[in-house]
Amino acid sequence: GIQVEQSPPDLILQEGANSTLRCNFSDSVNNLQWFHQNPWGQLINLFYIPSGTKQNGRLSATTVATERYSLLYISSSQTTDSGVYFCAALNYGGATNKLIFGTGTLLAVQP
Amino acid sequence: ETGVTQSPTHLIKTRGQQVTLRCSSQSGHNTVSWYQQALGQGPQFIFQYYREEENGRGNFPPRFSGLQFPNYSSELNVNALELDDSALYLCASSLGTNSGANVLTFGAGSRLTVL
Repeated sequence: GIQVEQSPPDLILQEGANSTLRCNFSDSVNNLQWFHQNPWGQLINLFYIPSGTKQNGRLSATTVATERYSLLYISSSQTTDSGVYFCAALNYGGATNKLIFGTGTLLAVQP
Repeated sequence: ETGVTQSPTHLIKTRGQQVTLRCSSQSGHNTVSWYQQALGQGPQFIFQYYREEENGRGNFPPRFSGLQFPNYSSELNVNALELDDSALYLCASSLGTNSGANVLTFGAGSRLTVL
């Protein structure tokens, strides 16, 4: 099945800094989502982005489906951005919502 | 619009016991998926329910079972608990099962500790 890898595994930033998180996937996808998991475990959907570019405030994401990667950009980071960021993907042929998650990037934003 | 709610938020069981976790899907969503997230890992798909039937399953043994009710809420049941079942159990709801079009909405999870 499809494999999803994320980098870097850990990231420490000073408040105000920018960062780029990467997600590589091993097969074609028809569904790719970025999530933020807060310290209480809640997974918040950031982007549904199987291809193209989207922006939402300080966050933006780009997926290049033909090259099998996606990037999440965080600009002007804030302490509330801390947590784990997951990329999750589905490939063609599935009739279920069986998202395959990467192992995540743990982000710590220091004041 | 209400989100996905899960209960209980935390619970402790001992090996061999059985547990039931509950999930209410987001208003308007008819499909529920369950995921297991071990410490330090990404969530792993357990199974999915649509129209009150299981229509997809991950690599989990039969002692993991579920139900979906007419109001689209769902239960996850785990029998004969093992220490490795300690994890955060996440429920996600969506509209339909078209894997290419669904944005999943997750609940806050139920954290299970097996002693």
